Amino acid sequence: AQKITQTQPGMFVQEKEAVTLDCTYDTSDQSYGLFWYKQPSSGEMIFLIYQGSYDEQNATEGRYSLNFQKARKSANLVISASQLGDSAMYFCAMIGPTSGTYKYIFGTGTRLKVLA
Amino acid sequence: EAGVTQFPSHSVIEKGQTVTLRCDPISGHDNLYWYRRVMGKEIKFLLHFVKESKQDESGMPNNRFLAERTGGTYSTLKVQPAELEDSGVYFCASSLGDRPWVYGYTFGSGTRLTVV
Repeated sequence: AQKITQTQPGMFVQEKEAVTLDCTYDTSDQSYGLFWYKQPSSGEMIFLIYQGSYDEQNATEGRYSLNFQKARKSANLVISASQLGDSAMYFCAMIGPTSGTYKYIFGTGTRLKVLA
Repeated sequence: EAGVTQFPSHSVIEKGQTVTLRCDPISGHDNLYWYRRVMGKEIKFLLHFVKESKQDESGMPNNRFLAERTGGTYSTLKVQPAELEDSGVYFCASSLGDRPWVYGYTFGSGTRLTVV
């Protein structure tokens, strides 16, 4: 079965510092995709970054990077130079053929609070 | 372009009552998805429409839940009769195609349902 585990229910980070949000996954699929979404207090889920299982380079999008370690089955999100607006829930998610390539498997989320 | 719109944003109903949630996808998006997050748990897939057809409703909890997408535009999710365990946030998402790494999914802000 496919599963996403986010072990950090809550995190604090000082403004302008970097923070890593952990995500481990379990799948028997050879080809899969890993995603991170941000959910601010307004409620909408905002796509941040995507990593394909065959991508050799770690994905980056502005201040977001995905530390992909395939052998360890981890896909941690790194936010550099944290800003107050980064305070939100963050969800790690996976897509793969076993569950359906249109169907996300989400983790339980990590609530990040950026301190001024 | 307008995003995915969900309403109501909040609903509080008594156990045994009926509630209907609505999702208006982005115009032209044939694919529409419903997800649910029960408090503190992971976000779980409920079902997937392509136009007006249900492609996958494997995540629907039981027959108290009925989803429709008449005419392939907006979708409704009816819960009848509501139970306490139905409380949670119901998300809708839409996309042009069913491969999120290609097309991207746009999520709505969710409907927070509280059954008392």
